[in-house]
Amino acid sequence: ETGVTQTPRHLVMGMTNKKSLKCEQHLGHNAMYWYKQSAKKPLELMFVYSLEERVENNSVPSRFSPECPNSSHLFLHLHTLQPEDSALYLCASSQTSGGLSYNEQFFGPGTRLTVL
Amino acid sequence: GEDVEQSLFLSVREGDSSVINCTYTDSSSTYLYWYKQEPGAGLQLLTYIFSNMDMKQDQRLTVLLNKKDKHLSLRIADTQTGDSAIYFCAERRNSGNTPLVFGKGTRLSVIA
Repeated sequence: ETGVTQTPRHLVMGMTNKKSLKCEQHLGHNAMYWYKQSAKKPLELMFVYSLEERVENNSVPSRFSPECPNSSHLFLHLHTLQPEDSALYLCASSQTSGGLSYNEQFFGPGTRLTVL
Repeated sequence: GEDVEQSLFLSVREGDSSVINCTYTDSSSTYLYWYKQEPGAGLQLLTYIFSNMDMKQDQRLTVLLNKKDKHLSLRIADTQTGDSAIYFCAERRNSGNTPLVFGKGTRLSVIA
């Protein structure tokens, strides 16, 4: 596997389900990101992990819970989602030298999530 | 303004040139990027330009940067049907600790 991979590619879930999205990067990067892409909206940053520590949480609802066990893996745990959470969830990685320095990000193919 | 602005749609004929425009927000942004998203796929980094450059050319792609007006453009020469996609402009701001800030994307449709 090369680059950034995400599984599953498509997910349909009910509002009472619990599921997890998985992201893996094979680029040796030290920062990983979750983005939400909804129709007609700019890409929204959800979470950033830099050097395995979460450095940002843009007021994302608590029904989204990230986990970064190591620099290569990133999870997004989902529970009691709402229909408006249906979107494409993109994972990205980059190599950061720490602090305020963020370099270009490489994206995975995304998980298309539909909440019924 | 706070947003990176792009036109939402662009339609061109195959073989013509496409020009996708973007207005960014932070005059101290150091890098500006163009990403491409094909249907059902994630974002692919196409090219980027450092803020001290006016132009960057890479095969069929030409990026022009006007720092005074905070205007970025992507020109695709000899546009092909395979170029049909959504193109996102993004800036790396030099202030704060946010990663790339993206525009809403321009949907390019190439007519055969």
